[in-house]
Amino acid sequence: GQQLNQSPQSMFIQEGEDVSMNCTSSSIFNTWLWYKQDPGEGPVLLIALYKAGELTSNGRLTAQFGITRKDSFLNISASIPSDVGIYFCAGLKTNFGNEKLTFGTGTRLTIIP
Amino acid sequence: EAGVAQSPRYKIIEKRQSVAFWCNPISGHATLYWYQQILGQGPKLLIQFQNNGVVDDSQLPKDRFSAERLKGVDSTLKIQPAKLEDSAVYLCASSSGTSSFPGAQYFGPGTRLTVL
Repeated sequence: GQQLNQSPQSMFIQEGEDVSMNCTSSSIFNTWLWYKQDPGEGPVLLIALYKAGELTSNGRLTAQFGITRKDSFLNISASIPSDVGIYFCAGLKTNFGNEKLTFGTGTRLTIIP
Repeated sequence: EAGVAQSPRYKIIEKRQSVAFWCNPISGHATLYWYQQILGQGPKLLIQFQNNGVVDDSQLPKDRFSAERLKGVDSTLKIQPAKLEDSAVYLCASSSGTSSFPGAQYFGPGTRLTVL
């Protein structure tokens, strides 16, 4: 099955730095979601985007739904240790009332002490 | 509000053995999903239920995997017989049409399966 392309695959940053990651697809999505997954846990929803061009914030996180509806990006400002984890984008398509989520390949964020 | 519950959290079996996973979704969520997450990858949908009916099982390897949601609430996913390549985390998720975030799926902690 299809997986969305996320970049970078991994990031090594220092605490306090800003982070930017993006997600691209060859097909159009109606909704973009961003999840964070900690080791040994399931993905947790961070941000949901519903309209092309939409910019949405959740605390230090900001995400945008690309104008072409084929991409999205996530920014984290002033990173802190608890931001460590794997970030997944997910695109949602609705066909005849059936909602299907396709996940990206993930971006692993590590904070260097 | 309680989240999605899954059990067991970990399971180790030998190839050709059988295994079953259980999921209880968030109360009131009509839609339930099972995903397979192989190490280093994003989750991949195996099967989707709407109440007790299957909506999408196109990615489920039906020769060895089966799933049911008999009463439209909790669900079980079974693998019989298991292969080495089934080693993965099996995630259950649920969603509701009346959620604050339409389309968003809420995940359980997963069951980590190791097939030896």
